[in-house]
Amino acid sequence: GAVVSQHPSWVICKSGTSVKIECRSLDFQATTMFWYRQFPKQSLMLMATSNEGSKATYEQGVEKDKFLINHASLTLSTLTVTSAHPEDSSFYICSASVRGQGETQYFGPGTRLLVL
Amino acid sequence: AQSVTQPDIHITVSEGASLELRCNYSYGATPYLFWYVQSPGQGLQLLLKYFSGDTLVQGIKGFEAEFKRSQSSFNLRKPSVHWSDAAEYFCAVGDLGAAGNKLTFGGGTRVLVKP
Repeated sequence: GAVVSQHPSWVICKSGTSVKIECRSLDFQATTMFWYRQFPKQSLMLMATSNEGSKATYEQGVEKDKFLINHASLTLSTLTVTSAHPEDSSFYICSASVRGQGETQYFGPGTRLLVL
Repeated sequence: AQSVTQPDIHITVSEGASLELRCNYSYGATPYLFWYVQSPGQGLQLLLKYFSGDTLVQGIKGFEAEFKRSQSSFNLRKPSVHWSDAAEYFCAVGDLGAAGNKLTFGGGTRVLVKP
């Protein structure tokens, strides 16, 4: 149980285009989803927290107009990197938690983004 | 603000030997503590967690961790490592707020296993 998927697993795009990454909880309803960014050989940095049906809460220094997060249902959250540039290239990981079991986050396999 | 320190960036251990990964945290109240493992190019898998109760926590894959409040530590141990244990290990502390449990991660420890 507690499986989280991400799609796509990797994506290459041209500078200036937008990229959407999906995060799904496959066998549970996720009341809260989190988006992280990980640079090579570094730790995970929380970008934003999203609760179903409400606006995402972004961490300091994360541009909300650059990284659009939508959490429209209890099983799906999306991260859209708008007008991507090479410095946005990174490994993006989502996680999900359940109300009442909110202490544990279950992580997706990650999406590697390369912006040319 | 909460923080997590993993003092060892890399650890090399022989297959069959014991392993201990250090984790020190800073948090104002009783912490929620986690250990995750990440294989190359993959997401994170939960090894174990501590919320309360017994300070020695058993996890998956033969791992255990001990919470020591006096030392603000939550070290991860395995008596005998396997080649498949080579990975990156992250310790994290959770802040359970209205928005769910925000995790703060340590910098990670990369474990290399020698045959």
